Amino acid sequence: GDSVTQMEGPVTLSEEAFLTINCTYTATGYPSLFWYVQYPGEGLQLLLKATKADDKGSNKGFEATYRKETTSFHLEKGSVQVSDSAVYFCALSGEEYGNKLVFGAGTILRVKS
Amino acid sequence: DGGITQSPKYLFRKEGQNVTLSCEQNLNHDAMYWYRQDPGQGLRLIYYSQIVNDFQKGDIAEGYSVSREKKESFPLTVTSAQKNPTAFYLCASIQGGTDEAFFGQGTRLTVV
Repeated sequence: GDSVTQMEGPVTLSEEAFLTINCTYTATGYPSLFWYVQYPGEGLQLLLKATKADDKGSNKGFEATYRKETTSFHLEKGSVQVSDSAVYFCALSGEEYGNKLVFGAGTILRVKS
Repeated sequence: DGGITQSPKYLFRKEGQNVTLSCEQNLNHDAMYWYRQDPGQGLRLIYYSQIVNDFQKGDIAEGYSVSREKKESFPLTVTSAQKNPTAFYLCASIQGGTDEAFFGQGTRLTVV
């Protein structure tokens, strides 16, 4: 089964709308969780991370909280901008996966002005 | 500035040819990775190396080969055995103990 499951996109929002991109994971241990962002034609950049349960990662107005009870790491932003249009990847890393990064399928976000 | 450099940005391959994608990092990271990205499928791991002169197959290694003769360099060869090589290839490195990956800008390979 999937190790990281993201909501399917594309997600299309108007500028200043609230964003949620859902991410759930499968792991028996305590993985680290990440959100990466990919702008068109580029590589991935780390957006935020959390390394233990109840940690909140935040960066550039984006937030995600490590929820072990629901095995989730949903990405949120209170007010999106056109410049946030990109592909967002949820990922995990942990001993169970040989300390390799395991990525979800990615979610395309399109923000309209 | 430290970072990861992939070259070329665009690469065209004829049927039956081998091509090599370059990945160089000056971050002094031990571990390096190659991923393949196809639309709607996220990133799939091809090969990885956690130390010089050692590397392991990832999930989709068939038709690819790598070498790790220097810490800074991790080239990927796409061989003629890879039947569907058209994709976006991403190289990454991770410093041990941090889990954070740094990615190159990618190489888009197209079979013509």
